[in-house]
Amino acid sequence: KAGVTQTPRYLIKTRGQQVTLSCSPISGHRSVSWYQQTPGQGLQFLFEYFSETQRNKGNFPGRFSGRQFSNSRSEMNVSTLELGDSALYLCASSLNGGLGEKLFFGSGTQLSVL
Amino acid sequence: KQEVTQIPAALSVPEGENLVLNCSFTDSAIYNLQWFRQDPGKGLTSLLLIQSSQREQTSGRLNASLDKSSGRSTLYIAASQPGDSATYLCAVRDNNAGNMLTFGGGTRLMVKP
Repeated sequence: KAGVTQTPRYLIKTRGQQVTLSCSPISGHRSVSWYQQTPGQGLQFLFEYFSETQRNKGNFPGRFSGRQFSNSRSEMNVSTLELGDSALYLCASSLNGGLGEKLFFGSGTQLSVL
Repeated sequence: KQEVTQIPAALSVPEGENLVLNCSFTDSAIYNLQWFRQDPGKGLTSLLLIQSSQREQTSGRLNASLDKSSGRSTLYIAASQPGDSATYLCAVRDNNAGNMLTFGGGTRLMVKP
């Protein structure tokens, strides 16, 4: 069974641009969460999607947004990029987003903003 | 607001040693706690998940314990190997925070041959 797949693996953008990252969860998983990892702040929760609906949101500005499609694949978008958005963006999936379920993470997308 | 702390931030040990990584959290109202491993520039690999009603979980050379009332968890690695070198992260899932995990800052482990 394939794991969580994130594309692209690396991205380089300049300030002011926007970017879209993609995540395909494990087959059969319906919950997708996104996390940002930086050396200074560590891992921080962005948002969670389940059945195409945002179910939970972290403390990030509105420039960060996401969506989920009917096949459970998810995208996150960052508009008007800032230097501080440079980070490893990780996607995680679980079966139904239940509290007792393990989260399975992808390898991440490394975003560099110049 | 839940805060998770991991001590030490970095650890270097010779191969073969048994070692303990520590994780503490401020709010004991957690549903479960998960230990992850992260290799440089890579994603997270789940190692062990302990539900709040459990005291410990074991997988191979790894043993994780949970003391919810005192807000602590430990990850014990027996007979460490160079391949264990990685960053180890603990994360808690609060009772009322949905599927959001709160992570500690991690312990960077190096096992020297």
